[in-house]
Amino acid sequence: QKEVEQNSGPLSVPEGAIASLNCTYSDRGSQSFFWYRQYSGKSPELIMSIYSNGDKEDGRFTAQLNKASQYVSLLIRDSQPSDSATYLCAVRKSGGSYIPTFGRGTSLIVHP
Amino acid sequence: GAGVSQSPRYKVAKRGQDVALRCDPISGHVSLFWYQQALGQGPEFLTYFQNEAQLDKSGLPSDRFFAERPEGSVSTLKIQRTQQEDSAVYLCASSLDWPAEIQETQYFGPGTRLLVL
Repeated sequence: QKEVEQNSGPLSVPEGAIASLNCTYSDRGSQSFFWYRQYSGKSPELIMSIYSNGDKEDGRFTAQLNKASQYVSLLIRDSQPSDSATYLCAVRKSGGSYIPTFGRGTSLIVHP
Repeated sequence: GAGVSQSPRYKVAKRGQDVALRCDPISGHVSLFWYQQALGQGPEFLTYFQNEAQLDKSGLPSDRFFAERPEGSVSTLKIQRTQQEDSAVYLCASSLDWPAEIQETQYFGPGTRLLVL
């Protein structure tokens, strides 16, 4: 089992719909979770971080964390074509250097 | 202020050549990370510095890979005798003071795209 798992997609949604991106992780002691957006040929850009169980909202983005199920998700409301990108889930390890482990990313396509 | 910068942005090397990739972190950031990102994959950790000290190099794939940060600011990732499997994007990230707080985050540079022929 990989440490951080994401469906590679692509996930295709129509403009204006809700896009739901999911991530599972194996390190039960992890405390910090991050969602990065990466446009093709560009570097990852942090869009959301979450540390406690429950929901965290920031504009059109909502991150959801369930530590018991070792599951973190990202919801994008009112999806726009400009949201089309790869979304990377990163989980900070609970020991050692606490280096974040990244999933392979989910490709999101928002079509007009 | 200025973000993380990397140079060169693109590098083509012949197999067997040595290459050096540079990273300038955000001013004042103590922590610096190198990642390797293959096509279609997420970033894979290579090594991590706190100031000039290399605290974790567990991700370096072979002894051909070497990183340094002699004055605690600019870092260089060196790959000796490059192989085709080294072709990837090399990302540098910096952080204010990892891992002092669980909210500590990483800021990525634009990356260096390395192609080994």
